[in-house]
Amino acid sequence: GAVVSQHPSRVICKSGTSVKIECRSLDFQATTMFWYRQFPKQSLMLMATSNEGSKATYEQGVEKDKFLINHASLTLSTLTVTSAHPEDSSFYICSATQGASEAFFGQGTRLTVV
Amino acid sequence: KQEVTQIPAALSVPEGENLVLNCSFTDSAIYNLQWFRQDPGKGLTSLLLIQSSQREQTSGRLNASLDKSSGRSTLYIAASQPGDSATYLCAVRNQGGKLIFGQGTELSVKP
Repeated sequence: GAVVSQHPSRVICKSGTSVKIECRSLDFQATTMFWYRQFPKQSLMLMATSNEGSKATYEQGVEKDKFLINHASLTLSTLTVTSAHPEDSSFYICSATQGASEAFFGQGTRLTVV
Repeated sequence: KQEVTQIPAALSVPEGENLVLNCSFTDSAIYNLQWFRQDPGKGLTSLLLIQSSQREQTSGRLNASLDKSSGRSTLYIAASQPGDSATYLCAVRNQGGKLIFGQGTELSVKP
C-alpha cells in the first residue's frame, strides 16, 4: 500500500507554545488529507478535512484558530496546534487519499503539553 | 448522521481459534468500508477495503463481508495467532469522502 509519513512521532511542549505536525504522502499525490484526534482507548475523531490549495473544512466543535491546517501541496499537509494547553495532549493521526480511493494513515503523533 | 458501532468492544481467544468481529452502520449510503488494525501507540494499517458494490474481500487469513442494505460488515480471522493481537477498527466512507470510525474491538490472542 501507499506510504504516509507523519512527523514527529512524539513531541513534548510547554503550555502556551505552538507545535507543528507534518503529514506527507511519499509515493502518491494526495488530493485530500484528513486530521484525526484519538484519546486513550477511544476511536478516531475527525477534526478537519483539507484539500490541496483550499481552506480546510473543520468538524463541528473543532476550533479553527486553535488547530491551523495547511495543505500547500499534493504531498504535504501540516497541523499546527497553537497556544497548546494540557487538554490538547492527545494522539493526532493524519490520513491521505487520492480521490475516493483507499485511505492510508500516518504513524501518528503523541503530543504531550506540560 | 452516520454512526458506526463495533461489537464486541474486547475479545480474548486462545491461539488457533477462528473469530468474527462485527461492525454496523446506520446510514447505508456509503461509498466504501475499510477495516484497519491499530497496535498500541501506533497509526492505522489498512487491512481490507470493500467498495459499496462488493460483498466481500479476502486477504490471507482475513475475510471481510459487507451487507450494505442491512448496514453490517464482519471481519473473519481464521486460525488466529498471538501476532493478531491489536485493536481492529472499521470505518465507512460517505459520499462526501469522510471516514467515520467505530469504537474498535480490542483483540487478544493467547498463546
